[in-house]
Amino acid sequence: NAGVTQTPKFQVLKTGQSMTLQCAQDMNHEYMSWYRQDPGMGLRLIHYSVGAGITDQGEVPNGYNVSRSTTEDFPLRLLSAAPSQTSVYFCASTHSGGSNTGELFFGEGSRLTVL
Amino acid sequence: TQLLEQSPQFLSIQEGENLTVYCNSSSVFSSLQWYRQEPGEGPVLLVTVVTGGEVKKLKRLTFQFGDARKDSSLHITAAQPGDTGLYPCAGLNQFYFGTGTSLTVIP
Repeated sequence: NAGVTQTPKFQVLKTGQSMTLQCAQDMNHEYMSWYRQDPGMGLRLIHYSVGAGITDQGEVPNGYNVSRSTTEDFPLRLLSAAPSQTSVYFCASTHSGGSNTGELFFGEGSRLTVL
Repeated sequence: TQLLEQSPQFLSIQEGENLTVYCNSSSVFSSLQWYRQEPGEGPVLLVTVVTGGEVKKLKRLTFQFGDARKDSSLHITAAQPGDTGLYPCAGLNQFYFGTGTSLTVIP
């Protein structure tokens, strides 16, 4: 049981390049989400999904796209990377549909640097 | 402006000392969660508090939810080096996280 798996762990991009951060979970969780973590800012919600085919915006969605074609996978796409998107990105999932008391299970993070 | 304010932002103490960190808001929450994050890893849930005035204990960690459900505290008794890490709180369906308290316990 791998839990939440994120790839790649490290990535360096040039401004304007595009890339996809991959996230997969093997716990059959309905709810998945993406956060970014910056120094002094805490985790900020980018996008989330309550099930296959359903996605919604979080607090900081600009510059990012998501899709949810399967229960297991929730990729995060950067269409045209900017230095402001340099951050550590975390994918998370829970079985509770994002309820107040659901336990979020996080991946190990993807560290992205945009030059 | 952070919806969830945590204090202190950084805390460095000697092994064996006690400490309390806080998670405060001007808004009422139906529940708050505390997580612990070690360097290079994702956060791991420690506890969820749902009732105003609730106190939960997890070994040497004691969590309290304020009566008005606007704040929460985490108290650690006899801190150990293994307690070192970042402690963020979360609310509103994990939509919002606080900035966390970065704790260092010196052997």
